Amino acid sequence: AQSVTQPDIHITVSEGASLELRCNYSYGATPYLFWYVQSPGQGLQLLLKYFSGDTLVQGIKGFEAEFKRSQSSFNLRKPSVHWSDAAEYFCAVGPSTGGFKTIFGAGTRLFVKA
Amino acid sequence: KAGVTQTPRYLIKTRGQQVTLSCSPISGHRSVSWYQQTPGQGLQFLFEYFSETQRNKGNFPGRFSGRQFSNSRSEMNVSTLELGDSALYLCASSPRTGSDTGELFFGEGSRLTVL
Repeated sequence: AQSVTQPDIHITVSEGASLELRCNYSYGATPYLFWYVQSPGQGLQLLLKYFSGDTLVQGIKGFEAEFKRSQSSFNLRKPSVHWSDAAEYFCAVGPSTGGFKTIFGAGTRLFVKA
Repeated sequence: KAGVTQTPRYLIKTRGQQVTLSCSPISGHRSVSWYQQTPGQGLQFLFEYFSETQRNKGNFPGRFSGRQFSNSRSEMNVSTLELGDSALYLCASSPRTGSDTGELFFGEGSRLTVL
């Protein structure tokens, strides 16, 4: 069965510091992988996605993620965090074929301190 | 292009009542998925509709049901509400065309409180 694990429930970083959010997945076939962000009271917005090609993908707001098949990981990174990045981040795995049933991780809440 | 619209945004019900939530997808999107979001459980997949047919279903009791209309708009219904049904219900649409990479476009959600 497919699953997504985000081991960190919350993370606090200082503004201007680098960020890495961890994500591990379990999926039988080649996955489509996503990172979404949710600000308080809002729906989710796509940050970036991977489904083939270059394993380092760039997203919006200066985020990037690296797909490592050998480690079943898709970690999200940002070199310099801004206070506006405080939000909840969700890693997700979707089907490459067939029915759509995107599975989300439990989320990591990011706090940014001045 | 208008985004995904969910109504109502907030509602309060009492135990035993039923509720219907509505979702209008992005124009041209044919797939609508529903998720329940709670602090303890995260985002849990409810079901996905495509061309008026339920294509996938999550592990929720039969009290949770949905449907999709010919214009791709979708509704979900929860009957005999329980306190544990209090949650943010999120709807997401996707094109479901040959070039679709599975990205979901979310609405802002319907916040249900059961008293």
